[in-house]
Formats: sequence, C-alpha cells, structure tokens
Amino acid sequence: DGGITQSPKYLFRKEGQNVTLSCEQNLNHDAMYWYRQDPGQGLRLIYYSQIVNDFQKGDIAEGYSVSREKKESFPLTVTSAQKNPTAFYLCASTRNPLGRANEAFFGQGTRLTVV
Amino acid sequence: GEDVEQSLFLSVREGDSSVINCTYTDSSSTYLYWYKQEPGAGLQLLTYIFSNMDMKQDQRLTVLLNKKDKHLSLRIADTQTGDSAIYFCAVHNNAGNMLTFGGGTRLMVKP
Repeated sequence: DGGITQSPKYLFRKEGQNVTLSCEQNLNHDAMYWYRQDPGQGLRLIYYSQIVNDFQKGDIAEGYSVSREKKESFPLTVTSAQKNPTAFYLCASTRNPLGRANEAFFGQGTRLTVV
Repeated sequence: GEDVEQSLFLSVREGDSSVINCTYTDSSSTYLYWYKQEPGAGLQLLTYIFSNMDMKQDQRLTVLLNKKDKHLSLRIADTQTGDSAIYFCAVHNNAGNMLTFGGGTRLMVKP
C-alpha cells in the first residue's frame, strides 16, 4: 500500500543536540512538506520541496534544515538553534503538477520533546 | 500570503448537526479541503471542494462554499462521539502549489 511514513513516533532531544526526523513516501509524489503543530494550535509550515534537490523555506524555517536528495525522502533536522523545538511534527506530500484534487497525504507524526 | 481562519472550539450533543466554519483571504484559491485529526495522529482528508462549486455532499458531510465572502463550512449531520476530533480547513493555491491550513476547530461531541 502507498503511504507516507514518519519515524520515530517519539523522540527526545537533549539541549544543544541536533536531531533528524525521517519522512519517506512511496506515492511517487513530487512535493513534500514539513509542518509543526503546537498544542491547541494549527499547522505551521517549516519547509517544503516541490522537486528533488530543491526546497523552500516556509513560515518558521529558522532553526531547521532539510534535504531532498531523493524523491521519496525529505528528512528534517532540528538544530540546536531552534530554541523551542518541543512540538508535534507532521510530514506531508502532494502530487505535482496539480491533479483533480491535490490531496495531501500525511504521516502519523513525530512528537519531539526536549529533555 | 493566504490567511485561513477557524474558530477554536465547538461543542454539540450526539445526534445534532455540527457546523464548522472557515474563512480565507486568497480569492484565487482553487481547491479547498477539510481534514480530520484524531489525538496523536496525522491528518486524514475528509472531503474537498473545487472553487467552481457551491456545495458538495458526501454521506453525512456537506461542504458549502461562498466564494464572494470567501467562506467555507463543513456540516456533519447526526454527529457521533466518534466525530470528536480537530478539523482543519486547508486552501490550495495553484500558483505556489501550497496548502495553507487554518488553526483547526476542536469538535467535542457530548453523549
């Protein structure tokens, strides 16, 4: 079955550490996205990529980095520069170019906690 | 950029209808979506509507789109306790292939 997989489900980070969240899709989608969700808040876009080897900053890119070396994979690194990284992170993908309904498929999320 | 707004919270009794509202700012938005998020999980697409439509019905779900007012609503008929979740409105713009999400509406269904 096609889908989008995030790992790990839970991640704990010490102060000053970089951590990388994995996102893999086998839907053959060109576009992939990373969102951050804080309790009681909506989704805020961190980074997105519409094609391999290209990505763009979203609304809250500071303290994060991404790469898109393969179509299937869009890992997110939370660096030590991100001052408040504790949140729920969601990865999504969409087909590109646009189809009839450009549904976004979401992973199950990674909950990151700073300890 | 696009702004998408939703009310934070809605409480209904089981069996009643729920109406979740959403407003957006970009009149060139093409597809508009409703997603559901259950606790600790990702988002699942419930339904969508294309911008040249006024209404779409899918079983218990009815989506109404007022393009003039840039207002989207989701009506859930005969709301059940299993419908308790956060509902997100999302708007897609062709130009940037971007999805912009509202802040989500938490629906609580009381038995």
